[in-house]
Amino acid sequence: AQSVSQHNHHVILSEAASLELGCNYSYGGTVNLFWYVQYPGQHLQLLLKYFSGDPLVKGIKGFEAEFIKSKFSFNLRKPSVQWSDTAEYFCAVNGGNDMRFGAGTRLTVKP
Amino acid sequence: DAGVIQSPRHEVTEMGQEVTLRCKPISGHDYLFWYRQTMMRGLELLIYFNNNVPIDDSGMPEDRFSAKMPNASFSTLKIQPSEPRDSAVYFCASSQTRGYTEAFFGQGTRLTVV
Repeated sequence: AQSVSQHNHHVILSEAASLELGCNYSYGGTVNLFWYVQYPGQHLQLLLKYFSGDPLVKGIKGFEAEFIKSKFSFNLRKPSVQWSDTAEYFCAVNGGNDMRFGAGTRLTVKP
Repeated sequence: DAGVIQSPRHEVTEMGQEVTLRCKPISGHDYLFWYRQTMMRGLELLIYFNNNVPIDDSGMPEDRFSAKMPNASFSTLKIQPSEPRDSAVYFCASSQTRGYTEAFFGQGTRLTVV
């Protein structure tokens, strides 16, 4: 069965710092990859997605992610975080069977 | 479209009682997912339906949990009897085509079993 690993459980950054959240998955076939964001008290919302083509995907609010097939990774990045980026971030992988989510990474941005 | 609609938003119940969570997916979406979110276990897929048919219920924790989808616009997740360890936020999500589009989530139901 496919699985998704997010290595950082809680990340604390100051405003303007750069962000990179790790995501690795285990699945041998073709995958579709997603990053979702959950702001405090709210539901999950799509941040960006990768299906095919350019492995560098740009999403909303200045986020981007890079798919590295050889490393089974789909890391999320943002050059300069803002206080409003405080949220929980979930990586998700769909390999044709079901959509599996990572455990999530809680990001706290200090003003 | 109003999005995925879940009810109730909050539910507090006593241990041993039956709890029913409801979900209305986005019209035209043929996949529906039930997830449970806890601090300890993160986001877990419980079950998903395709065209109202349960496809994979291997994530359902035990026989106390059951889910139905009697038609394309309605699904329920039932816990009977409920236990304190069932306390969590339960999310329903729907998508148009498995894996090729994103899943749209409802606001969730926060369940507290005392």
